Parts: sequence; structure tokens; C-alpha cells
Amino acid sequence: AQTVTQSQPEMSVQEAETVTLSCTYDTSESDYYLFWYKQPPSRQMILVIRQEAYKQQNATENRFSVNFQKAAKSFSLKISDSQLGDAAMYFCAYQNSNSGYALNFGKGTSLLVTP
Amino acid sequence: GAVVSQHPSRVICKSGTSVKIECRSLDFQATTMFWYRQFPKQSLMLMATSNEGSKATYEQGVEKDKFLINHASLTLSTLTVTSAHPEDSSFYICSAREQGAPEAFFGQGTRLTVV
Repeated sequence: AQTVTQSQPEMSVQEAETVTLSCTYDTSESDYYLFWYKQPPSRQMILVIRQEAYKQQNATENRFSVNFQKAAKSFSLKISDSQLGDAAMYFCAYQNSNSGYALNFGKGTSLLVTP
Repeated sequence: GAVVSQHPSRVICKSGTSVKIECRSLDFQATTMFWYRQFPKQSLMLMATSNEGSKATYEQGVEKDKFLINHASLTLSTLTVTSAHPEDSSFYICSAREQGAPEAFFGQGTRLTVV
């Protein structure tokens, strides 16, 4: 079974600064997807960024980018120019066809953004 | 992104009664729907995967007779918590995926409180 590990229960960043959230995963598959989701206090799951394993290029979405290291099975999220609205729980998730495309989530990282 | 509507957002029910949660895909055909449960300050745990017209596949430890899942159409899946008990109190969230699409979209979630 695949496991997703987020080793940082909590992180803090000052407004306008950059923060990196770490995620590692374990799989024997070669074809899969990785995701970062944001869950604000409303508890709505919001997709931040998606990475296909077959793509070598790191995904980027505005202030959000990932560092995908396939051999190391590492998938970190970098948030640049942090904003107060970025404060939330962030979940790293793994998905592949063998699990019926269900998401396997890490335990999450709570991000606090200070003014 | 595509829209998934989950209803109700909050429900309080008496111990021993049943409660039904609906998950609708509003602008796409959801060939697969997923049901997750999230306890306070924890991650999302997959309960079951349902494919339209088929019986749901439950994760280990999830009682299928207690958590009845129906996916009778391409736009609607329901989760019925039967004979609810206080320990069933949790946040339940669905997601829906269109065949061939890399990602699923989440509903708003349902906070169930059993008293």
C-alpha cells in the first residue's frame, strides 16, 4: 500500500516570505499523480497543484510550485510571497489507477501566516 | 473546475436513527465517487469508492451495512449512516470523478453530529 508522509505538523511563515512544506511517499508504481490540497477553516478541499509522475518538469501555479524528486519520492510545496489567506491545513495526496483513483492523504501540515 | 454539491452541510440526529447525505455532480458525469471521513484535526480517510451502477467497494474496517452507499446515476451518490451512534459523529466529504479525468472534485462536506 502507498503511504504519504508529511513530517511537519505545523509551519509558520511571515507575510510576503516563502515557505516550503515537505511530503514524501512510498510506492512501487511508476505512473501516478501527486496533489497538494488546501483545507481552510470552512473545510472545503481546494486543489492547489497537481503533478503527473511521468512529467519531469515541476508544476507551477502562480505563487505555488512544487519540487518533485521522483527517485527520492519527494514532493514538496513552495509558497512564495505568502499571504494571510494562505493560512490553512495543507494535505499532500497520492493517486494512481490501482487504487481506483482514490486519494491517499498525508496527515497534513497546518500553516500559520503572521503579519 | 467542475462543481460537486454535497447536502446537507450540517446535520444533527438522534442516536439510533439514520441520516442520508447526498453528493451531486452538477456539470459533469461522475463515473466514480469517493466518500471520505475526517475526524477533528486528522486527515481524510477513504471509506468507500462507488462506480455508477455497481456496488460500492469499502475500505477495510468500514462496515458496509452501517454506511450504505448508492450510486444509481451519473450525477448522484448517497451515503446513508444507519443506526447512527455518537462515535459516528464526524465530517463526511465526497468527491466525484469523470472517467478519464486525472482529478476528482470535492463537495463541501457534511458535519454529522449524533446526540
